[in-house]
Amino acid sequence: NAGVTQTPKFRILKIGQSMTLQCAQDMNHNYMYWYRQDPGMGLKLIYYSVGAGITDKGEVPNGYNVSRSTTEDFPLRLELAAPSQTSVYFCASSYSMRIAGGGASNQPQHFGDGTRLSIL
Amino acid sequence: AQKITQTQPGMFVQEKEAVTLDCTYDTSDPSYGLFWYKQPSSGEMIFLIYQGSYDQQNATEGRYSLNFQKARKSANLVISASQLGDSAMYFCAMREDSGNTPLVFGKGTRLSVIA
Repeated sequence: NAGVTQTPKFRILKIGQSMTLQCAQDMNHNYMYWYRQDPGMGLKLIYYSVGAGITDKGEVPNGYNVSRSTTEDFPLRLELAAPSQTSVYFCASSYSMRIAGGGASNQPQHFGDGTRLSIL
Repeated sequence: AQKITQTQPGMFVQEKEAVTLDCTYDTSDPSYGLFWYKQPSSGEMIFLIYQGSYDQQNATEGRYSLNFQKARKSANLVISASQLGDSAMYFCAMREDSGNTPLVFGKGTRLSVIA
C-alpha cells in the first residue's frame, strides 16, 4: 500500500529558484493538505483542498501556490525560494465523512514521509 | 490565540513505566475532535488515537489511552508500559467544527524512554 507519496525526499535550492513538491495519494481521499514543520515546532498548514479544482489557504500560504487537477495529486509550488522557506514539508490526505447528528470527523490525516527542503 | 498547548517540551520515562503527555486546547465550538500523532526520529507522522468532543468514554488503543477532561479542555495522552521504541515526538492536534476541517497541531513533546 503506497498511501501518500512525496517526491523528492531532499532538495537544496538557491535563493530565487523555483520548484514543485509532488504529492500523490492512492486512497481515493477527497481532502488533501500541505503542512510545513520548522525545527522544534509543530506543523503549520499552508494550503488544503477539499476536492479536485478546489483549494483554500491555510495559516502560512505566502510564497506558495497549489493546484488540484485530479483527486490523486496535490503539488505545491515555490516560485521564488527564500531562506525562510527552509523546512520539512508534509503532504497529507483524509477521507471525507460527515458524522450523523454533527460532530467533527474522526478520520485521521494520513501523512507522506516529508520533503526536507533547504534554501541557501 | 494558540489553539493547542503542549507545555512539556521534553519528558523522560523509565522503560515499563507509564507516562502522561499533556495537551490543553482552546475552542468555543461544541463539536471538535482531538488526535495524537507520533513522530519518530525517522520523521514520519503516525496516527495514534482519536477522541471526539461528544464521546462519553475515554478513547483507548492498545497501550495508548486518552484522559479527556472536557470541562478543563484537556486531552492528555497516557502511554502504559513504555518501550524504547516509544521514544519520539508526540503531537496533539484538534479539528474544529463538523466535517473534515484541517488539523491544528501543538508544538509537540519529545519523549525519551530510558532502559
